[in-house]
Amino acid sequence: AQSVTQLDSQVPVFEEAPVELRCNYSSSVSVYLFWYVQYPNQGLQLLLKYLSGSTLVKGINGFEAEFNKSQTSFHLRKPSVHISDTAEYFCAVSEPGNNRKLIWGLGTSLAVNP
Amino acid sequence: TAGITQAPTSQILAAGRSMTLRCTQDMRHNAMYWYRQDLGLGLRLIHYSNTAGTTGKGEVPDGYSVSRANTDDFPLTLASAVPSQTSVYFCASSDQGGQPQHFGDGTRLSIL
Repeated sequence: AQSVTQLDSQVPVFEEAPVELRCNYSSSVSVYLFWYVQYPNQGLQLLLKYLSGSTLVKGINGFEAEFNKSQTSFHLRKPSVHISDTAEYFCAVSEPGNNRKLIWGLGTSLAVNP
Repeated sequence: TAGITQAPTSQILAAGRSMTLRCTQDMRHNAMYWYRQDLGLGLRLIHYSNTAGTTGKGEVPDGYSVSRANTDDFPLTLASAVPSQTSVYFCASSDQGGQPQHFGDGTRLSIL
């Protein structure tokens, strides 16, 4: 069965430092890839998505992600984080055969400290 | 545009009682989803609907039922609530394959 692994459950970082949140998936077929952010007591919002084309995808709030097919990875990066980036981040992959359904990672909690 | 509206925002419910969580979208999306979010377990799909009139089971459907009488509404019913159903419930919708899912703000449900 397809799975999504977010390699770090918690990532503490200082303000203005760079950050990388790692996501690996298992699939032998083409998939769609997504990163979502969840701020406290809110629903999930789309950060960025990869459907096809350029492997470097830019999203909102200065985030970007790179799709690496050979390593089946879709890591999320930001060169300089802000306190306001403190949130839970979820990686998701479309399910083969029903690409409107998503398979979710367990999330990475990003804590940005002053 | 409101997007997805969930009601109620929160609820405390006695075990054994029934409850319907409401979800309405105004984006005319074909597909809708119900998830529960629990600490350490991420998002788990309860039920989904690819189009009005059809529904399907997700990975944790037991104890829950859904209906999709029209495009906009996708209520989730707990027929006889149990404490293990204490969770935050999110409704989402999407259009075509490859398009992102849009989420409501969630319903925080406590079963006592």
